[in-house]
Amino acid sequence: GQQLNQSPQSMFIQEGEDVSMNCTSSSIFNTWLWYKQDPGEGPVLLIALYKAGELTSNGRLTAQFGITRKDSFLNISASIPSDVGIYFCAGANNNDMRFGAGTRLTVKP
Amino acid sequence: GAGVSQSPSNKVTEKGKDVELRCDPISGHTALYWYRQSLGQGLEFLIYFQGNSAPDKSGLPSDRFSAERTGGSVSTLTIQRTQQEDSAVYLCASSPSGPLDTFGSGTRLTVV
Repeated sequence: GQQLNQSPQSMFIQEGEDVSMNCTSSSIFNTWLWYKQDPGEGPVLLIALYKAGELTSNGRLTAQFGITRKDSFLNISASIPSDVGIYFCAGANNNDMRFGAGTRLTVKP
Repeated sequence: GAGVSQSPSNKVTEKGKDVELRCDPISGHTALYWYRQSLGQGLEFLIYFQGNSAPDKSGLPSDRFSAERTGGSVSTLTIQRTQQEDSAVYLCASSPSGPLDTFGSGTRLTVV
């Protein structure tokens, strides 16, 4: 099936630093999504992108839908301790959604 | 309820036994998905229900896995003759349409 390559696998950063993670695919997606998962919980939708080239912000989060429709990135600015968690990208074509393996973010106070 | 509810939250079963996992989606959500998440891994698609349409079962890993959705609401994922490699967190999610925005907290299945 379609494979999403998400990188990096993990990040250790200092509070206040900016973070960037990305996802690439061999296939085109119509929608790109970014989720955050806290321990013992299900993923929570952060940002949804519907149009190639779209750049969307949600507070300190910014995500872009790549022009080729095969990639997306997520930036977190001025990280805080509660940003800790696992971030997943997902690509969707209608109801077919595929997830990346996740980026585990650790923020040191 | 306010969110997607899954039960049980934890299940330990002996190899070879059958298990049933339950998902109560948000009322009115026509789309329901099951995913499996192994330790430290991403989400693996299992099955998708949309309204009264035939479900998309393309992600079910073997014929030991089956799922049904009764009355367009509650869904049950059944795993027969469980194997140790079935150990994972099973996540259910529902959506009215568009991107998945509401996941349950999952059922952690451990096969011993």
